[in-house]
Amino acid sequence: EPEVTQTPSHQVTQMGQEVILRCVPISNHLYFYWYRQILGQKVEFLVSFYNNEISEKSEIFDDQFSVERPDGSNFTLKIRSTKLEDSAMYFCASSENTIYFGEGSWLTVV
Amino acid sequence: GQNIDQPTEMTATEGAIVQINCTYQTSGFNGLFWYQQHAGEAPTFLSYNVLDGLEEKGRFSSFLSRSKGYSYLLLKELQMKDSASYLCAVRDISNSGYALNFGKGTSLLVTP
Repeated sequence: EPEVTQTPSHQVTQMGQEVILRCVPISNHLYFYWYRQILGQKVEFLVSFYNNEISEKSEIFDDQFSVERPDGSNFTLKIRSTKLEDSAMYFCASSENTIYFGEGSWLTVV
Repeated sequence: GQNIDQPTEMTATEGAIVQINCTYQTSGFNGLFWYQQHAGEAPTFLSYNVLDGLEEKGRFSSFLSRSKGYSYLLLKELQMKDSASYLCAVRDISNSGYALNFGKGTSLLVTP
């Protein structure tokens, strides 16, 4: 069964550093997403991406964040100048209609 | 914005039936989804309703009433492995990227 894959599964970074989280969406899907989940809290929408551009973003997705599809398979989330409060599980997802999630990347900012 | 409400916690007995309710308020409803999430893992898709009525899939069923802004997830023949968080998520037509907005989830504990 096709699945969304994410790397790394866990990353620890120092405050102020840049982080890139990588994702390979399901191959025939056209919509890609990043969500995050702070420990103990709900799943929060960050951004959706379609046809090589951002189609929607939430208030959380400010100038600190960016997304890119550098080639035909990868979809990345870059977080610049990380803060302690960026510590969370970041889920990549893709869809035709139903959204399917990757296993997530745990980001710990220390 | 959207307001999605579901109970925080529920407990049920192995072998029993449990119903998890979700109410929502949205200006342009375009589908309701249920996901299961075990601690530390990704949400996994359970069901999708866009029209009123019941969708059945094995031990899991989901019901939708658009006029009432209400859905429930019904889990039958509960098993210990069903202990997880159940997330209600709504899509709105204003979401140009077909994104979902999630409720806070209902943590279900299945006891022997």
